[in-house]
Amino acid sequence: GESVGLHLPTLSVQEGDNSIINCAYSNSASDYFIWYKQESGKGPQFIIDIRSNMDKRQGQRVTVLLNKTVKHLSLQIAATQPGDSAVYFCAENGLTGGGNKLTFGTGTQLKVEL
Amino acid sequence: GAVVSQHPSWVICKSGTSVKIECRSLDFQATTMFWYRQFPKQSLMLMATSNEGSKATYEQGVEKDKFLINHASLTLSTLTVTSAHPEDSSFYICSARDILPSGYNEQFFGPGTRLTVL
Repeated sequence: GESVGLHLPTLSVQEGDNSIINCAYSNSASDYFIWYKQESGKGPQFIIDIRSNMDKRQGQRVTVLLNKTVKHLSLQIAATQPGDSAVYFCAENGLTGGGNKLTFGTGTQLKVEL
Repeated sequence: GAVVSQHPSWVICKSGTSVKIECRSLDFQATTMFWYRQFPKQSLMLMATSNEGSKATYEQGVEKDKFLINHASLTLSTLTVTSAHPEDSSFYICSARDILPSGYNEQFFGPGTRLTVL
């Protein structure tokens, strides 16, 4: 399904704390999920992805968790830094059957307070 | 990583004129490119899928005669907003798809084009 945000939820964290950004996806047939970071006036930047056959994947300072039972995705950012301030979007992608199209979530504004 | 560029980065035009936005994959060939539109404080909405050498596939509600898409080469897709009106003012973002060995595709996004119609 499509996700259209009328407003952006905001998450405020203190510098150095961990951040957790959540996302609910709609299509139970989606088998590939991506988190993007978008800074103001720029295009989305790939952060981390996860296949549906996994429930956790770790990158540098970031971890993505996937719960297919409840169609929930989360992004954890460790030791959040001011440079992490941006809007974060999850996106779901299908490999077959009309897939290969990304459907974006509504996004979350992350604000890092010094 | 793969780089996608867009030109122009921003454009201001008068109502009723047409504007062309270019999307280029700089270091890989992309048989498929995508065009998105993003309004302030909102998510990215897919407008159309552009396949090299064939007609674009438009999402429901997107006027194909208003948003003309051409994908004449493996590295270039263009979006032309015809007879632009103030409500077309938005941030237009393209992406180019590169197929990974696993079969999953990854989309690389351009920096976006800010269109303002006066």
